[in-house]
Amino acid sequence: KAGVTQTPRYLIKTRGQQVTLSCSPISGHRSVSWYQQTPGQGLQFLFEYFSETQRNKGNFPGRFSGRQFSNSRSEMNVSTLELGDSALYLCASSLGTGGEDTQYFGPGTRLTVL
Amino acid sequence: AQSVTQLDSQVPVFEEAPVELRCNYSSSVSVYLFWYVQYPNQGLQLLLKYLSGSTLVESINGFEAEFNKSQTSFHLRKPSVHISDTAEYFCAVSELRGQNFVFGPGTRLSVLP
Repeated sequence: KAGVTQTPRYLIKTRGQQVTLSCSPISGHRSVSWYQQTPGQGLQFLFEYFSETQRNKGNFPGRFSGRQFSNSRSEMNVSTLELGDSALYLCASSLGTGGEDTQYFGPGTRLTVL
Repeated sequence: AQSVTQLDSQVPVFEEAPVELRCNYSSSVSVYLFWYVQYPNQGLQLLLKYLSGSTLVESINGFEAEFNKSQTSFHLRKPSVHISDTAEYFCAVSELRGQNFVFGPGTRLSVLP
C-alpha cells in the first residue's frame, strides 16, 4: 500500500498570504489528523477529520482550518500567514478514530514564511 | 488531559552501547502508549506501541519498551545501538476513547562511532 502523501513538500510564502496543504491518506484510512512541528513547541495537534467531519481541534487560532473530502483526502488552510507559522506540517492517517488506531505519518510539508 | 515528559532532550551514545530513552506520562484515564521515530527530513514512523496484554513490547529493529503503570512510564531501550539509529524519538499517549494523541517533546539520539 502506498503511504501517506503530502503536497507540496516545501513552500515559501510571505506574511499575509494564505496557503493550502494537501494530504492523501493510506487507502482505506478514513481518519486524518494534522500536526504542526516546530523546534520550540514540538509536535502540536491541529485537528482531526473523520468521514468529512472535524472531530477534534487543537488550540490554534481560527486562521487554521481544514476539511476532508469524500475520498478521505484532506486539506489544511492557513490564512493571513505570520512568521511564527513557519513549521513542518505533518499529516497522519488511521483506519478509525479509536485511541488504539495507529497513526501513519506523511513526510510533511515544510512551510517557510518570510 | 494527558501530558508526556521526555526528560532527556539529547542522548549521545557510542555505537554498540546500550541506550534507554525515558518517557513518563500523566493521565486521569487509561491510555495507549506509542514510540515514534523521526529520521532527518522525514515524517514520523511508528516504532512500537502498547495497547494491552504483556507490558513488554518489542520492535523489529531491536528496540523494546516496558509499560509500568505504577510509575506511569514507558521507557524505550536497546541493548546495542547502531549509527543508523541516530534520529529523534517521540513518546506519545492516546486515550482509550478518541484519538487525542499527545506527543512528548522528543529525545534526539546521536550514535557516535
